[in-house]
Amino acid sequence: GAVVSQHPSWVICKSGTSVKIECRSLDFQATTMFWYRQFPKQSLMLMATSNEGSKATYEQGVEKDKFLINHASLTLSTLTVTSAHPEDSSFYICSASGKETQYFGPGTRLLVL
Amino acid sequence: EDQVTQSPEALRLQEGESSSLNCSYTVSGLRGLFWYRQDPGKGPEFLFTLYSAGEEKEKERLKATLTKKESFLHITAPKPEDSATYLCAVQETGANNLFFGTGTRLTVIP
Repeated sequence: GAVVSQHPSWVICKSGTSVKIECRSLDFQATTMFWYRQFPKQSLMLMATSNEGSKATYEQGVEKDKFLINHASLTLSTLTVTSAHPEDSSFYICSASGKETQYFGPGTRLLVL
Repeated sequence: EDQVTQSPEALRLQEGESSSLNCSYTVSGLRGLFWYRQDPGKGPEFLFTLYSAGEEKEKERLKATLTKKESFLHITAPKPEDSATYLCAVQETGANNLFFGTGTRLTVIP
């Protein structure tokens, strides 16, 4: 139980394009989902907290117009990186709040050329 | 402000050589302390939650313990497949989010 999927698992795009990443809780409902960013050999940095049916809460320093989050249902949250630039290249991981803790997706590696 | 410090940053063990990883934390009120395992290029995999000082949890070769200031992840007779980065995170009372340490990168050599 407590399986979280992410799609796509990796994406390469040109600078200036937008990229959407989906996060789904497959076998449980999650009122709260989280989006993290991880740089090589560093820990997870929380970007935003996403609550179903309401606006996301962004951490300090994270541009809400750059990283659009939508949590339209109890099993799906999406992160859209708008007008992506090379500095947005990173490993993006989502998690969903379950019974005991947050359960993480497998991550999406984004490379912006 | 919440702080989580993990040590050592990296650890190399021979297969069968037991050791411990440390997670020191500072939080105004602890709701829970979490251990995760992360393999390269993958998302963290949940291992344990500890809620109060004195609590211990075990899973196969891993045992997690908690005091008021730190947590230890003990690895008994590790195998090469235990090689991974082990992450510690705290959740403050009343909060939803987790605050992560930088992890310990464990390598077990056959």
